[in-house]
Amino acid sequence: QKEVEQDPGPLSVPEGAIVSLNCTYSNSAFQYFMWYRQYSRKGPELLMYTYSSGNKEDGRFTAQVDKSSKYISLFIRDSQPSDSATYLCAMSNQAGTALIFGKGTTLSVSS
Amino acid sequence: GAVVSQHPSWVICKSGTSVKIECRSLDFQATTMFWYRQFPKQSLMLMATSNEGSKATYEQGVEKDKFLINHASLTLSTLTVTSAHPEDSSFYICSAVLQGLSVYNEQFFGPGTRLTVL
Repeated sequence: QKEVEQDPGPLSVPEGAIVSLNCTYSNSAFQYFMWYRQYSRKGPELLMYTYSSGNKEDGRFTAQVDKSSKYISLFIRDSQPSDSATYLCAMSNQAGTALIFGKGTTLSVSS
Repeated sequence: GAVVSQHPSWVICKSGTSVKIECRSLDFQATTMFWYRQFPKQSLMLMATSNEGSKATYEQGVEKDKFLINHASLTLSTLTVTSAHPEDSSFYICSAVLQGLSVYNEQFFGPGTRLTVL
């Protein structure tokens, strides 16, 4: 079993839809949970990070962490065509250490 | 702020040659940088941790004699792929840790370098 599992998609939604992206993990030592957005042939860009369990909201984006289930989610409200990208979850057990990435989910938002 | 650059962004080389990739933190100092590799439709996989002034730490399965890492200053780490072969063709991405910005010590990623070995 891989440390981090993420459905690669692709996921296609119409503009304005609510998007739900998810990852599961096996290492209970993970404390820091991140979501990155990556456009084709570019480096990842941090969207949100969460420490331990709980929810965090930033504009149209909401990140949730359920450590008891080893499950994290990213919700995108009112999705826009500009949200079309690959979304990567990433985790670490200590601040500033190397990240363990999911495979990424490719999202396409059509206008 | 917190920009990381990589050079070159794209390189094609012949099998057997060596290629050097630079990773620079442009507006902050980074004692720790990471090198990742990403194959098409795959996740980023950590290759090594680069610490300024000391030897790099390589992940299991990554040949340290093939992937030479030098973190000579607080703003520059280099990855040299020696005697490159077609199977080394990949997207190489570095990140630099900005310490003290938050409890998380965020990593900022470079734009990546696409290496194609013929």
